Amino acid sequence: AQRVTQPEKLLSVFKGAPVELKCNYSYSGSPELFWYVQYSRQRLQLLLRHISRESIKGFTADLNKGETSFHLKKPFAQEEDSAMYYCALSARGSNYKLTFGKGTLLTVNP
Amino acid sequence: DTGVSQNPRHKITKRGQNVTFRCDPISEHNRLYWYRQTLGQGPEFLTYFQNEAQLEKSRLLSDRFSAERPKGSFSTLEIQRTEQGDSAMYLCASSLLEEGGKLFFGSGTQLSVL
Repeated sequence: AQRVTQPEKLLSVFKGAPVELKCNYSYSGSPELFWYVQYSRQRLQLLLRHISRESIKGFTADLNKGETSFHLKKPFAQEEDSAMYYCALSARGSNYKLTFGKGTLLTVNP
Repeated sequence: DTGVSQNPRHKITKRGQNVTFRCDPISEHNRLYWYRQTLGQGPEFLTYFQNEAQLEKSRLLSDRFSAERPKGSFSTLEIQRTEQGDSAMYLCASSLLEEGGKLFFGSGTQLSVL
């Protein structure tokens, strides 16, 4: 069975501070990991995926298979980063059916 | 707007009534997914279509739920004999076959069963 755990429901930081949103997963095979974001009054949208190894809006995430983690990081948070962030997992060969975590609401204070 | 479109945005119904939701995916997208989201939870997978074929259904999808995607274009999700536990946001998403995991979500249909 697949499971995604986001231990923090709420995370509050000040503008300019580093931010790390935690994501741990449970899956016996080889997973693909994603971060989705939902800004206020907007649709859920893909932020980044681990296979792309890219930085989007200053965010990066590294898949750590030893720790089964895929934490999302940004060195200097901006107020516009305030949003709900969901970590998601797809099992290879699963038609990209995503299993989502419960989400972390990030608030960046001025 | 060329994104994923869902109708209606809100639906209020009485317990025991049937409801139907519609999803219009991005036109060239082969994959279409339905998810359900309740307060404080992430989206939960319900079912998946590749073109017109329904390839996977979650155990969450009881026999009161049925989904179709005739001609591989729009999709409908019907809930028969609604129950209060069906109250949730129903999300539709689509993607290209070759861009698995890059889902484009609609705004959702918020269902309230009284």
